[in-house]
Amino acid sequence: QVQLVQTGGGVVQPGRSLRLSCEASGFSFTAYSMHWVRQAPGKGLEWVSIISTDGTIKIYADSVQGRFTVSRDNFKNTLFLQMNSLGPEDTAVYYCATDMAGGAFDIWGQGTLVTVSS
Amino acid sequence: QSALTQPPSASGSPGQSVTISCTGTSSDVGGYNYVSWFQHLPGNAPKLIIYEVNKRPSGVPDRFSGSKSGNTASLTVSGLQAEDEADYYCNSYAGNSYVFGTGTKVTVL
Repeated sequence: QVQLVQTGGGVVQPGRSLRLSCEASGFSFTAYSMHWVRQAPGKGLEWVSIISTDGTIKIYADSVQGRFTVSRDNFKNTLFLQMNSLGPEDTAVYYCATDMAGGAFDIWGQGTLVTVSS
Repeated sequence: QSALTQPPSASGSPGQSVTISCTGTSSDVGGYNYVSWFQHLPGNAPKLIIYEVNKRPSGVPDRFSGSKSGNTASLTVSGLQAEDEADYYCNSYAGNSYVFGTGTKVTVL
């Protein structure tokens, strides 16, 4: 079964860190660049980050540059998002997604809620 | 990285067509043929319905079609069905980044 299963969300205090995981199964994980996308409550989708197939190229949205780090473990078919210095503006449902080509985000994780609150 | 502009809402009766616009700039929509569209139901993950401006993934009905002219991309849903009621988002490659549209809520009357 082709799927991305996400773990790692939760409630965290402002200024603290959290790491999200996204485990792939049922397809060739190493063949895909991977994205993180988020949706704040009542807001639209926001692109967060992309990592290349081999993990050497990483690009971030301005809103998270310098605070978030994307990585992947191709042996474990798992994508990660390390989020540091979290603020209330980072409260959102976070999704991981594959990139079939040129932004065709074709396989999505189920989403995980991150709430930044004291 | 400004969001692409979509109308907040669109509506139509069953069987009718609705077209949603997605306006960007020459640095994103106008500069690349990498525009995608997603259908998003509350509580679910977004679903890819159009990629590379006008291509449909396997399993997506041909009622969904995409096009682009200059800096504006469009999604047309023909033969509206009740199950098409959802939020729709465009997305474009923007040269080393990606940007989503503001989203359009489609209501089937």
